[in-house]
Amino acid sequence: DAGVTQSPTHLIKTRGQHVTLRCSPISGHKSVSWYQQVLGQGPQFIFQYYEKEERGRGNFPDRFSARQFPNYSSELNVNALLLGDSALYLCASSFRQGEQYFGPGTRLTVT
Amino acid sequence: KQEVTQIPAALSVPEGENLVLNCSFTDSAIYNLQWFRQDPGKGLTSLLLIQSSQREQTSGRLNASLDKSSGRSTLYIAASQPGDSATYLCAVSRDDKIIFGKGTRLHILP
Repeated sequence: DAGVTQSPTHLIKTRGQHVTLRCSPISGHKSVSWYQQVLGQGPQFIFQYYEKEERGRGNFPDRFSARQFPNYSSELNVNALLLGDSALYLCASSFRQGEQYFGPGTRLTVT
Repeated sequence: KQEVTQIPAALSVPEGENLVLNCSFTDSAIYNLQWFRQDPGKGLTSLLLIQSSQREQTSGRLNASLDKSSGRSTLYIAASQPGDSATYLCAVSRDDKIIFGKGTRLHILP
């Protein structure tokens, strides 16, 4: 069975640009969560979506947005990129509030 | 506001030793607690999940305990191996939010 997949693996953007990151959950999982992990820190919770509705939001600015599609895949969008947005972006899927399964992440570098 | 603390931040031990990693959290009203392993530059691998009603979980050489009332969890690794070298993270969940600690960087010396 395929695990959580994320694309792209790596991405380099310039300050002020927009970025879209994609995540496909494990088959049958209806919940997708997004995290930002800065080097040397634990992951910080950004969003959780369940059944295409936002169910949780972390302390991130409105430049960050996300959505979940009917097939339960998800996109994370970040507008007006800042240098501080450089991080590993992780996606996790789960059965509602059950065990979280993480993807390999997308490494975003903002220059 | 839920805060998760992991002690120590880093740990080096000789191969074969048993070791304990600690995790504490400030709000005991959690749904579950999960321990993860992360290799450098990689995603997270789930090791053990403990529901709030449970006291411990075991998987192979790993044992995790949960004392919700005191806001503490431990991850016990028996007979450590060089392949156990990684960062270990604990995370607590409640109300659709998952809060992570900063992790313990573990280095097993051959």
